[in-house]
Amino acid sequence: KAGVTQTPRYLIKTRGQQVTLSCSPISGHRSVSWYQQTPGQGLQFLFEYFSETQRNKGNFPGRFSGRQFSNSRSEMNVSTLELGDSALYLCASSLEGRGLTDTQYFGPGTRLTVL
Amino acid sequence: AQKITQTQPGMFVQEKEAVTLDCTYDTSDQSYGLFWYKQPSSGEMIFLIYQGSYDEQNATEGRYSLNFQKARKSANLVISASQLGDSAMYFCAMRRTSGNTPLVFGKGTRLSVIA
Repeated sequence: KAGVTQTPRYLIKTRGQQVTLSCSPISGHRSVSWYQQTPGQGLQFLFEYFSETQRNKGNFPGRFSGRQFSNSRSEMNVSTLELGDSALYLCASSLEGRGLTDTQYFGPGTRLTVL
Repeated sequence: AQKITQTQPGMFVQEKEAVTLDCTYDTSDQSYGLFWYKQPSSGEMIFLIYQGSYDEQNATEGRYSLNFQKARKSANLVISASQLGDSAMYFCAMRRTSGNTPLVFGKGTRLSVIA
């Protein structure tokens, strides 16, 4: 079974631009979560989607948004990029996104650099 | 609020020896899950092992075992017979079962295996 895939793997943008990242979950998984990883803040939860609905949201500004499609694929968008948005963005999928044993499996991440 | 503490920023271990990575957690929930992930330099978070708060036995997965001490709120990862390929960042994470809650991660421990 194929794992979680994320595209693109690397991205370089300039301040003020916007960016869209894509995530394809493991087949059969309906929950997709996004995390931002930076050296200073570590891993921080952005949001979670289940059945095309945002079910949970972390403490990030409205410039960060996402969506999920009927095939469970998810995209996240960051508008008006700032230097501080430079990070590794990780996507994780799980079957239902709830329950003790519902393990999240991560993709390889998208490394975003904002210049 | 939940919190994960990993007090060892970096550790060294000789190849073929065992190593313990520390993790303590803080939560007021009775029902929760604890996870360990490995992150090589490539960036992908690899799921290693899971322990539920109600599990009476320590979890094991191949060379990985989780030393779960509920009263002390610790969930240490033990890697037996270390291999060069074990060199990576290791993250401890938890989530509670009430609702669809995200993973909360510690800051991680960088493990270096020496030949």
